[in-house]
Order: sequence, then structure tokens, then C-alpha cells
Amino acid sequence: AQKITQTQPGMFVQEKEAVTLDCTYDTSDPSYGLFWYKQPSSGEMIFLIYQGSYDQQNATEGRYSLNFQKARKSANLVISASQLGDSAMYFCAMRGDRGTSYGKLTFGQGTILTVHP
Amino acid sequence: NAGVTQTPKFQVLKTGQSMTLQCAQDMNHNSMYWYRQDPGMGLRLIYYSASEGTTDKGEVPNGYNVSRLNKREFSLRLESAAPSQTSVYFCASSEAPEFPAEAFFGQGTRLTVV
Repeated sequence: AQKITQTQPGMFVQEKEAVTLDCTYDTSDPSYGLFWYKQPSSGEMIFLIYQGSYDQQNATEGRYSLNFQKARKSANLVISASQLGDSAMYFCAMRGDRGTSYGKLTFGQGTILTVHP
Repeated sequence: NAGVTQTPKFQVLKTGQSMTLQCAQDMNHNSMYWYRQDPGMGLRLIYYSASEGTTDKGEVPNGYNVSRLNKREFSLRLESAAPSQTSVYFCASSEAPEFPAEAFFGQGTRLTVV
């Protein structure tokens, strides 16, 4: 079974500072992908970054980076130089690439990020 | 580019009524998903279809049925709506899981059951 846990219901950060959003996961599948999505107050789901379980390096996309620690089963999102427009709900997700959870895309509970000016 | 299209965008049902939420994607994706999102909560997987011809239950399948009509379309049916099914429903699609690609989401359907 897959499980994604985001333990921070809400986070606050000052504009231009960095922030880390936590995500831990559990799976018995040998191969999987990890995702982060942003959901602004308008409701759409915006893809931010992807990390494959066999990727040796941490993924980066602009101001977003994923701190992947496979042994600890964590996939934290780091946002550098926060902007007011980063205020939103952030979701961590996992998809099984093989095994019993093949194709299953599961989301965590989300973290609301508020960026203060 | 249409991407993932959900219809309707809004719906009000009376308890016990039935309805089908439609979802279509034009990206030739293999996998499709249905989620519900309740206020302040994450997305909970209702059903998914890893490839055309297959469907599997997610976390909260009770009260719902799905049909993968063809590669493009994946519908969600509520046979007898209940107030507990009041939620925002999202459809999503993605490449086959072997490919490191993200899922694309529709704009959501806001369903109220009274």
C-alpha cells in the first residue's frame, strides 16, 4: 500500500527567504515517482517537480528543488527566494511504476504556505 | 490545447439522484484518475485506470462507479447521491507510469448534494 504524509498543516515564510515543506512516504513497490503540486486559491493543480526513485541526483526546477532521501523515505520540497505568489496549498504525491500499486497516484493531506511581505 | 476537460463544472443534486461526471483528455494518455477534494483536505483517490481496459479502486470507492469508455474518456457515476458526496471532483490523466511525466488535471467539478 502507498501512503504519503505531510505533517505541516500550515507554514509561514518571509518573502525572499527559503522554506522547506516536509513529505514522507511509505510503499512496498520497487519503483515509484514522487511529485509536488501547487494549488492556489483559484483551485487548479499546478505541477512543480518530479523525482524518480532511481534518480541519483535531487531534482531541481527553477526555484524548486526536491530533497530526496530514499533511505528515510522523505521527499521534501525546498522553495528558494519565496515570492508572494507562492502562497498556496502544496501537495506531495507518489505514483507506483511497478508492483501492486502500478499507476496508482496518491496524494498527501497538503501544506498551506503563506508568504509574508 | 484542451488538455483534460471535465463536465459539468457545477452541479446540485438531491439526495438519491444519480449523475455521471464526464472526463476527456486529448493528450493520448494511458492513465486516468478520479479524485475528490473536501474543504481544507488533500485529494483522495476514488478510482484510477492505469491503462485502457483496466480500472482499480482507490482509497474511497464506495458509492461510485467508473467506466473507461475508451482511451480518451473516463467517467464517474454516482448511482444514489448522498450529502457526504458533496465535494470538488478532479479528473486527471498521465502517460503510462513507466514514464517520468506528471499528471494533468481538469478544472474540477463542484458537486453539492442536498
